[in-house]
Amino acid sequence: DSGVTQTPKHLITATGQRVTLRCSPRSGDLSVYWYQQSLDQGLQFLIQYYNGEERAKGNILERFSAQQFPDLHSELNLSSLELGDSALYFCASSVGFVGDEKLFFGSGTQLSVL
Amino acid sequence: DAKTTQPPSMDCAEGRAANLPCNHSTISGNEYVYWYRQIHSQGPQYIIHGLKNNETNEMASLIITEDRKSSTLILPHATLRDTAVYYCIVREIPFYNQGGKLIFGQGTELSVKP
Repeated sequence: DSGVTQTPKHLITATGQRVTLRCSPRSGDLSVYWYQQSLDQGLQFLIQYYNGEERAKGNILERFSAQQFPDLHSELNLSSLELGDSALYFCASSVGFVGDEKLFFGSGTQLSVL
Repeated sequence: DAKTTQPPSMDCAEGRAANLPCNHSTISGNEYVYWYRQIHSQGPQYIIHGLKNNETNEMASLIITEDRKSSTLILPHATLRDTAVYYCIVREIPFYNQGGKLIFGQGTELSVKP
């Protein structure tokens, strides 16, 4: 158990809909990262938050947004869903900006867009 | 883009050492080498990391060449449960609250066979 909690584990929805994925980081971790894993793209970095502020952006679509709340949990919002958004979405957390820190990953949310 | 090159797949006999190579010829002085693995769509799991010295922990050993352009992950006694995709990642050291994300490549699919 990495200590990073993601909910829900599975999500099935239809095209055009909006969903919210939730991540609770390990106790004491201030940094949260979101990744998308699809069969053809591998693990893609989406976005990073540190103590409530966005710190790095990767290949995140404009239809996607994220935030980190004062209690440090994070949510990834996916809107106007398309079939191609079907993927595993992982959240990771770390202490935050320590030179050789480790990132710990949750078990992911499997999103299926039908 | 990932800064590492790994063979796409490798086999290893159960009980033998698994040696997974990684090339990172463009690594810079402020970058660490991290290894993660992913077992069948689970969240990536941290294995080991290093800067320039060889490292060992309860899971594996990491051998980094003197010029730091390549490294080898060694699983000393591979078991069937070590079958996974192994990712070698060059990670920038966070600086002034920026950076530190992991950029995953395609990894090496290790199959441990009885």
